[in-house]
Amino acid sequence: NAGVTQTPKFQVLKTGQSMTLQCAQDMNHEYMSWYRQDPGMGLRLIHYSVGAGITDQGEVPNGYNVSRSTTEDFPLRLLSAAPSQTSVYFCASSRLRGVYGYTFGSGTRLTVV
Amino acid sequence: AQTVTQSQPEMSVQEAETVTLSCTYDTSESNYYLFWYKQPPSRQMILVIRQEAYKQQNATENRFSVNFQKAAKSFSLKISDSQLGDTAMYFCAFMSPREYGNKLVFGAGTILRVKS
Repeated sequence: NAGVTQTPKFQVLKTGQSMTLQCAQDMNHEYMSWYRQDPGMGLRLIHYSVGAGITDQGEVPNGYNVSRSTTEDFPLRLLSAAPSQTSVYFCASSRLRGVYGYTFGSGTRLTVV
Repeated sequence: AQTVTQSQPEMSVQEAETVTLSCTYDTSESNYYLFWYKQPPSRQMILVIRQEAYKQQNATENRFSVNFQKAAKSFSLKISDSQLGDTAMYFCAFMSPREYGNKLVFGAGTILRVKS
């Protein structure tokens, strides 16, 4: 049972480039979300999904897009990378509306130069 | 909007001793869930313990326990018999079932260092 799988683990982008962070879970969780972690600010919600075909914005959505075509996958797209998007990104999933907590992926460290 | 505050940026404790990490939160909800997550140097986020707000009994998981004071909106984590492997960043998080998407709201974190 792999849980939540994120790829890649590390990435360096140049300003203006685009890329997609991949997230897949094999637990049949209906809820999935993306967070970014910055020093001194904890984790902040970027986008989330309550089921296939349904997504919504979180606290810091600007510059990011998501889609949820299947229950398993929830990719995060950076449209035009900026240095302010340098961060560690976490994908998380949960069952039963998150009341038992979320399961997190191992994170992606992204640097935009 | 809910907020979570962790007032201790860093703490240290001697191996085998007990340490308490503080967390306060602000909400107008009566039904919600609180969590402590551990993030070791590996970066993985690990759920340590959870508390349901409508349960008065404090949650316990082995050496980890919480002191949940609903009226004071306080949710502290006590680690007993601290071990070197407890060295990590600890995050307090809040979740309300009434809020669409059941999103986690995190505090800024407390770095805990266990010394031998």
